[in-house]
Amino acid sequence: EVQLVESGGVVKQPGGSLKLSCAATGFIFDDFTMHWVRQVPGKGLEWVSLISWDGARTYYADSVKGRFTISRDNSKNSLYLQMNSLRTEDTAFYYCAKSRLLHRLHSACHYWGQGTLVTVSS
Amino acid sequence: SYVLTQPPSVSVAPGQTARITCGGNNIGIKRVHWYQQKPGQAPVLVVYDDSDRPSGIPERFSGSNSGNTATLTIGRVEAGDEADYYCQVWDNRSDHPVVFGGGTKLTVL
Repeated sequence: EVQLVESGGVVKQPGGSLKLSCAATGFIFDDFTMHWVRQVPGKGLEWVSLISWDGARTYYADSVKGRFTISRDNSKNSLYLQMNSLRTEDTAFYYCAKSRLLHRLHSACHYWGQGTLVTVSS
Repeated sequence: SYVLTQPPSVSVAPGQTARITCGGNNIGIKRVHWYQQKPGQAPVLVVYDDSDRPSGIPERFSGSNSGNTATLTIGRVEAGDEADYYCQVWDNRSDHPVVFGGGTKLTVL
C-alpha cells in the first residue's frame, strides 16, 4: 500500500526558514517523480514543485522560485522541501504527491499524503 | 502561462448527471487529469489522461477532452460525490509545467 506522510509543518515568522519532509512507503521510491502541492485553507490547489525520479530535474512555481528548494534522498525514501524567506502568503497545507507513471515527468499525481500545515505569521 | 478555467460551482440532484468543465486554449491536445477533494481530506485522482480511471474509481466517473474544453462527467450522482473537483494539465512550453484549474464545488441537492 502506497503511503506518503508529510511532516515539519509549524508556525514561523515571515523571513524564516523551514524544511518539510515526506516519507514514502509501499512503492519503489526512486522510480517516480514526486510533487509538492499546497492549498491555502478554503482555497484551491496550487502546484509548488516537482523533482524527477533521479533528482536530476526540478521545476518550481513562479511564486516560490528562488526561495524554495525541492530535493530527495532515494536511500531514505524521502522527499523534502526547503522553504526560505517565508512570506505570509506561503501559509497553506503542503501535500506531497507521487506521480502515476514511473520514469516520467508528465503524469497525474496518483497518490497524495494527508498534508502538513505551514503557518507564516508574526 | 497556461490557464485552466472551471466554473466555481455546479449543482445536481441525486441520480442525475453532473458535468464539470475545464477550459483552456486548445486543451484538446493535452492530457487532462481530474481530482476529487472532500472537506478535510487530501485530493484523490478520479480520472487521468482525459478519460481513464484509476482502480477503485466507479465507472460513473468519466472524462472527455476536445477543442478548448475538457469535461468530467459523473453519472447517477450520489450524496457522497459532493466535493471540490480540480482539473490539471502539463504545459510543456513552461518551466512551471503543472497547472491546476481553480476548482469546482459540486453540490448534490
